[in-house]
Amino acid sequence: DAGVIQSPRHEVTEMGQEVTLRCKPISGHNSLFWYRQTMMRGLELLIYFNNNVPIDDSGMPEDRFSAKMPNASFSTLKIQPSEPRDSAVYFCASSSGTGVSYNEQFFGPGTRLTVL
Amino acid sequence: DAKTTQPPSMDCAEGRAANLPCNHSTISGNEYVYWYRQIHSQGPQYIIHGLKNNETNEMASLIITEDRKSSTLILPHATLRDTAVYYCIVRPRMFGNEKLTFGTGTRLTIIP
Repeated sequence: DAGVIQSPRHEVTEMGQEVTLRCKPISGHNSLFWYRQTMMRGLELLIYFNNNVPIDDSGMPEDRFSAKMPNASFSTLKIQPSEPRDSAVYFCASSSGTGVSYNEQFFGPGTRLTVL
Repeated sequence: DAKTTQPPSMDCAEGRAANLPCNHSTISGNEYVYWYRQIHSQGPQYIIHGLKNNETNEMASLIITEDRKSSTLILPHATLRDTAVYYCIVRPRMFGNEKLTFGTGTRLTIIP
C-alpha cells in the first residue's frame, strides 16, 4: 500500500487566494483526520471523519476553513480566503476500526503551505 | 484526555537503550497510553500503545507502572534514525474519542 497520499506537497500562495489540500487515505480505512502543525501551536487536530461523516470539527479555526469527504477514498481541506497566519504544515491521517475498538493512525507526508 | 508530562529533550548514545519517561498522573481507568514519534519533516509515526500491561513490538517496549501514573518507552538499541520528537498521548480507545492530542513531546537526539 502506498500509505496516505497528500497533494500538493508544497503550496505557496498569496493572501486572499483559495487553497485546496487533498488527501487519499489508506484503502479500507474508515476514519480520516486533518491536523495542522506550526511552531507556535504544535500539532493540532482540525477535523476528523468516520465513514465519511464529520465527527468532530471543533478544531477548525474559523469559517474560512472547510473540509469535505465525498467518498471513502478522498478528502479535501479548503481555506478561503487564505491569510499569512494559515502558513503551516497540514497533515492528513487515516485509521481503521469500528465500534469500541480502532487502530493506530497513519499519517501522510504533509502539505507545507506558505501564504504570502 | 489526561495530561502528560515529558522532558523537553534527551540525548542517547548510538547502540545504547533510550528510555523516554512520561508522567500521566491523572489517567483514567479506560485510557490507554500511546506513543508516536515525528522524524524531522515527516508525519508522525505510531510506535506502540498499552493499557496496563507491558507491551513490546518490533520497534520498542512500553513499561507502565502498576498505578498507571507513569510509563517509559524503551528503544533497545538506538540508531541515528531514531532521532525524532517522541510524543506520549493518553486517551480512551473508543468511538468518538479517536483524536490525538499532541503535547510538546521529547526531542531525542542519538549521538554517534
